[in-house]
Amino acid sequence: DVKVTQSSRYLVKRTGEKVFLECVQDMDHENMFWYRQDPGLGLRLIYFSYDVKMKEKGDIPEGYSVSREKKERFSLILESASTNQTSMYLCASSDPARGNEQFFGPGTRLTVL
Amino acid sequence: SQKIEQNSEALNIQEGKTATLTCNYTNYSPAYLQWYRQDPGRGPVFLLLIRENEKEKRKERLKVTFDTTLKQSLFHITASQPADSATYLCALENGSGNTGKLIFGQGTTLQVKP
Repeated sequence: DVKVTQSSRYLVKRTGEKVFLECVQDMDHENMFWYRQDPGLGLRLIYFSYDVKMKEKGDIPEGYSVSREKKERFSLILESASTNQTSMYLCASSDPARGNEQFFGPGTRLTVL
Repeated sequence: SQKIEQNSEALNIQEGKTATLTCNYTNYSPAYLQWYRQDPGRGPVFLLLIRENEKEKRKERLKVTFDTTLKQSLFHITASQPADSATYLCALENGSGNTGKLIFGQGTTLQVKP
């Protein structure tokens, strides 16, 4: 069964802290994505990666960075967390050879105080 | 400017009726369009993909249409059940090639009453 896991379901951090969100997929997918989801704004793409060590900015990359050292793992980093980064963060993966449907993780609800 | 729009207002229907959700887009030429279901506090789950050369696609009680002239997709759930209550997202491909990048609508919340 296809699976995308995220390191935490809920996370509370303080302003200025460095935050790491981890995502792991077990489907050998090429593509991985990080979104944030906020009420009224829908899903917004932060960064995506289409290969190991490759990354591209999405629509709202400011304040975030990513790392993909291994195919199965895609990390989202908040260098210095701010209150406006309080959100639901969703990771997804897909494979162009299998129709590009995206498989999502359960999400991490991050609160920055 | 580019836009993808779904009804922001919730859709309330009676059990057994057909629910129809709309996805409109402007200034995109997607090779395919997808629909997802999202339950509260969970990640979206893929339902159906329809390509630009397909007019209609079905899966059990679900039906999707894609009109590239009108720039619109309709998502139908026939014989709706309370368990179908969720938020439904449309997503379209935008010349992303093999990167699989999608643009998501904001979603429409469906409430099916028994």
